[in-house]
Amino acid sequence: AQKVTQAQTEISVVEKEDVTLDCVYETRDTTYYLFWYKQPPSGELVFLIRRNSFDEQNEISGRYSWNFQKSTSSFNFTITASQVVDSAVYFCALSVHYNAGNMLTFGGGTRLMVKP
Amino acid sequence: EPEVTQTPSHQVTQMGQEVILRCVPISNHLYFYWYRQILGQKVEFLVSFYNNEISEKSEIFDDQFSVERPDGSNFTLKIRSTKLEDSAMYFCASSASSVNTEAFFGQGTRLTVV
Repeated sequence: AQKVTQAQTEISVVEKEDVTLDCVYETRDTTYYLFWYKQPPSGELVFLIRRNSFDEQNEISGRYSWNFQKSTSSFNFTITASQVVDSAVYFCALSVHYNAGNMLTFGGGTRLMVKP
Repeated sequence: EPEVTQTPSHQVTQMGQEVILRCVPISNHLYFYWYRQILGQKVEFLVSFYNNEISEKSEIFDDQFSVERPDGSNFTLKIRSTKLEDSAMYFCASSASSVNTEAFFGQGTRLTVV
């Protein structure tokens, strides 16, 4: 069975601060996929990034960056120079290779509040 | 940009009534999903659907639930006899393939059972 843990339930920062959201996962599968989704106050789930288990290359996309470390089963997400519009709940998720496709196991989410 | 569309955005129903939640997945996607999020809790997988049949379902997806792709565009979730604990946000999602790709979610239908 898969498990995703987001230990930080809520983080509050002041605009322009950097913030890192932690994600730790558990799976026995050797091939798996990791995701981050954003859920703004309007409620929809917005895809941010996908990483494959065989690709540990970290990524930067604008103010977002991701740090994938298989050795610690972590897939952390950093927002640089946070903005008020970044305020949302962020979910880390995991899927393994099934015929079922994208059967995602979500973490509990981290609510990020960016104050002006 | 193509998107997953869900209707209605909010549905209020009386306990014991049947509800049908509707979704239009992204047109060239082959895999379809329903997820549920009880208020303030994590998003939970309900069911996946491929090639006109259920490919995987969770323990939440009991006999009260069913899914259907009645035509080439719609994907529906039916709850036969709603219970108070079915109140949640229901998300439809679709993906182009089964692996190495992301699922795109609709904006959700908030179901309130009274």
